[in-house]
Amino acid sequence: DIQMTQSPSSLSASVGDRVTITCRASQTINSYLNWYQHKPGKAPKLLIYAASSLQSGVPSRFSGSGSGTDFTLTISSLQPEDFATYYCQQSYSTPQYTFGQGTKLEIK
Amino acid sequence: EVQLVESGGGLVKPGGSLRLSCAASGFTFSSYRMNWVRQAPGKGLEWVSSISSSSDSIFYADSVKGRFTISRDNAKNSLYVQMNSLRAEDTAVYYCARNIRRLVGAIFSDAFDIWGQGTMLTVSS
Repeated sequence: DIQMTQSPSSLSASVGDRVTITCRASQTINSYLNWYQHKPGKAPKLLIYAASSLQSGVPSRFSGSGSGTDFTLTISSLQPEDFATYYCQQSYSTPQYTFGQGTKLEIK
Repeated sequence: EVQLVESGGGLVKPGGSLRLSCAASGFTFSSYRMNWVRQAPGKGLEWVSSISSSSDSIFYADSVKGRFTISRDNAKNSLYVQMNSLRAEDTAVYYCARNIRRLVGAIFSDAFDIWGQGTMLTVSS
């Protein structure tokens, strides 16, 4: 099974900060990597698919990069609505997908 | 409006059974692979099961294999999961999610683009 490891597990930042979250796969997954945002009591939201493609309707301050085993999600300038938990997901071993453990982004 | 709405959650004793439902609207349900994903209290997202558009391809996470059965009724635009032999560790919010497959460069990329709000299952005596 492919394991996904995110770092950090939690992060404190301020509005306007640039934030980067990383995700590492236990084996190469090419560009089969998605990023989701999840707020308590809400449905998870797809942000980035195929490592770097922005989902329709998602603000351009979100970007993704990477291939192989190492990936990053970057938020260029944090907004108040961005405080949430972020998950990476591999879709290489489709349809037996695996999520990372999550990164909780909190207000400093 | 494209929408998924889960229902059927509740409190069940260990060893019991329950069926969750997911009603789809606003899109051609029969064209999409569908998934169940869960989140245990204080934990992250865990993919549970997946079913193809025509029900001919079904997969389960090892943690539920042999106990859960995913199914769908395209005529009713509905997705289901029958959960048997429930354990305390099955306690979670259960989400249904639409699988979208897109060609990106030279690869077909899968992702979950539409999610429901979730339904809570509690397994406790």
